[in-house]
Amino acid sequence: SQTIHQWPATLVQPVGSPLSLECTVEGTSNPNLYWYRQAAGRGLQLLFYSIGIDQISSEVPQNLSASRPQDRQFILSSKKLLLSDSGFYLCAWSDANRVQETQYFGPGTRLLVL
Amino acid sequence: AQKITQTQPGMFVQEKEAVTLDCTYDTSDQSYGLFWYKQPSSGEMIFLIYQGSYDEQNATEGRYSLNFQKARKSANLVISASQLGDSAMYFCAMRELLSGSARQLTFGSGTQLTVLP
Repeated sequence: SQTIHQWPATLVQPVGSPLSLECTVEGTSNPNLYWYRQAAGRGLQLLFYSIGIDQISSEVPQNLSASRPQDRQFILSSKKLLLSDSGFYLCAWSDANRVQETQYFGPGTRLLVL
Repeated sequence: AQKITQTQPGMFVQEKEAVTLDCTYDTSDQSYGLFWYKQPSSGEMIFLIYQGSYDEQNATEGRYSLNFQKARKSANLVISASQLGDSAMYFCAMRELLSGSARQLTFGSGTQLTVLP
């Protein structure tokens, strides 16, 4: 069966510091990968998606970037964090070969920028 | 553009009773998918149920069923025999085609369900 991991689970960072969040998927190959952000009490906003290695698309302009160095690894980064980057970050994967193509989410990372 | 509307910010239900969570959507696409996710306080988004736009029958998964009314553009979630563990935030989402094979999920604002003992 497929599993998706995210780390760290919680992160407190000062403004201006760098960021690296990691997401890995097991049990599947060539998944579509997604990064979402959820502000407190709100729905999810898509940040980046990837259909393959080194193929990254951004949905919203922001202070963040994403990379996919390996088939099942998706990394969310920032060179200098802003207060507005605080939130709950969720990684998700889907099987592009399935018509339904449900997105399955990882446990998430809570980021607090001070 | 697609839009998902969940008009119930909070709902209460007595344990063992059924509850309906509302979701309406707006799309000009002929082919689309509708999803419901559960988000407990831990934060993880848990997939519950899926309905395709061409599916003629309402989807069911255990105690979850989706009341799909295509003409009204509604996709309400029905939870039967509520349990205390059902207390969580529930999100309705619609699948939107991006590029290649990637799909975006557009989420509603969610409904906080509280099951009372």
